[in-house]
Amino acid sequence: EAGVAQSPRYKIIEKRQSVAFWCNPISGHATLYWYQQILGQGPKLLIQFQNNGVVDDSQLPKDRFSAERLKGVDSTLKIQPAKLEDSAVYLCASSVVYPPEQFFGPGTRLTVL
Amino acid sequence: AQSVTQLGSHVSVSEGALVLLRCNYSSSVPPYLFWYVQYPNQGLQLLLKYTTGATLVKGINGFEAEFKKSETSFHLTKPSAHMSDAAEYFCAVSDYDGSGDKLTFGTGTRLAVRP
Repeated sequence: EAGVAQSPRYKIIEKRQSVAFWCNPISGHATLYWYQQILGQGPKLLIQFQNNGVVDDSQLPKDRFSAERLKGVDSTLKIQPAKLEDSAVYLCASSVVYPPEQFFGPGTRLTVL
Repeated sequence: AQSVTQLGSHVSVSEGALVLLRCNYSSSVPPYLFWYVQYPNQGLQLLLKYTTGATLVKGINGFEAEFKKSETSFHLTKPSAHMSDAAEYFCAVSDYDGSGDKLTFGTGTRLAVRP
């Protein structure tokens, strides 16, 4: 079974530039999550989708971050414009509705200079 | 709101020694609890989980954890550390609401294994 795929794996940009990350979840997983993991911290949920609808985006900085899930499968997370404090690893995870177990992708490491 | 506290950001043990990583949680509902491991430049891999039933949970790579409701703890143990266990470990609590679970993670514990 193929795992969660993410690209790119690494990205370096300058502040105020825009960037986009892509995630392809495990086939058949209805729920998709984006997490932000700042160095030295645990992952923090940014947004949760079920199929192509948003379940929870309460911790997404909506002035600069946006996310969509196309046709209930792939998802993109965008940052525009980026700030220095956005430097982090962005993790995508997917799961079936039940039982509760999230499968994580390898992450995208973003460095904002 | 759920929260997780992991005591000790760094733990160092000798190869063959007992591994004990501590996790305490706060939850307003019966919790689902998880331990994940993260190797450098990789995503998180599930070690074990507690949902319902037996409070002693066995996971992969010889790890186990015991859910103690009275102590609000879910400590991770392994009887004998191996060099390959060196990684970062995250405890998480789930707020499962029927549309998927929202994980709240601790800050992580980095495990070093000395030869």
